Amino acid sequence: AQSVSQHNHHVILSEAASLELGCNYSYGGTVNLFWYVQYPGQHLQLLLKYFSGDPLVKGIKGFEAEFIKSKFSFNLRKPSVQWSDTAEYFCAVNAGNNRKLIWGLGTSLAVNP
Amino acid sequence: ETGVTQTPRHLVMGMTNKKSLKCEQHLGHNAMYWYKQSAKKPLELMFVYSLEERVENNSVPSRFSPECPNSSHLFLHLHTLQPEDSALYLCASSQDNSHLTDTQYFGPGTRLTVL
Repeated sequence: AQSVSQHNHHVILSEAASLELGCNYSYGGTVNLFWYVQYPGQHLQLLLKYFSGDPLVKGIKGFEAEFIKSKFSFNLRKPSVQWSDTAEYFCAVNAGNNRKLIWGLGTSLAVNP
Repeated sequence: ETGVTQTPRHLVMGMTNKKSLKCEQHLGHNAMYWYKQSAKKPLELMFVYSLEERVENNSVPSRFSPECPNSSHLFLHLHTLQPEDSALYLCASSQDNSHLTDTQYFGPGTRLTVL
């Protein structure tokens, strides 16, 4: 069965630290990849997505993610985090012609000021 | 500011009650979704509607009954729920369910507690 794995469940960083959140999926064919973010008390919203072209995708608020097909990975990065990046981050994938998004468990990020 | 609203935001109900969750999207989208978000579990897709027609029922128990009277409104009717149904229920919409790259826009959710 298709699955999405987010390795880090809880991450604590200080402001200005660099961030990398892992996301791996299990599917060998064409995939569309998404990162969503849920800030405290707010709704889930799209951070960035990849479906074709340049495997390095830029999103909102300085986030980027790199699709590495050989590693089945789509890791999220930010060079310097801010306190306002404290949130829950979700990786999601739809694979092949499956219209259903498969979601990871999420990673809770806390940034200390 | 989200274009997807959900009411109520919180709901406590007994196992014999009947209640409904409401979702409304103001984005002109054609597809709407119900998800269940439980602690320590991935987001679970429950139902998908495209142009008011149900296109996905993800093996959800019959005590959950969706209704989509038009492309802007989606309901989830609840009856005879179990305590394990306590969760955050999220509504989402997207431009078109057949476009695999479409972004889904989420509402704030209804926090449901079943006693």
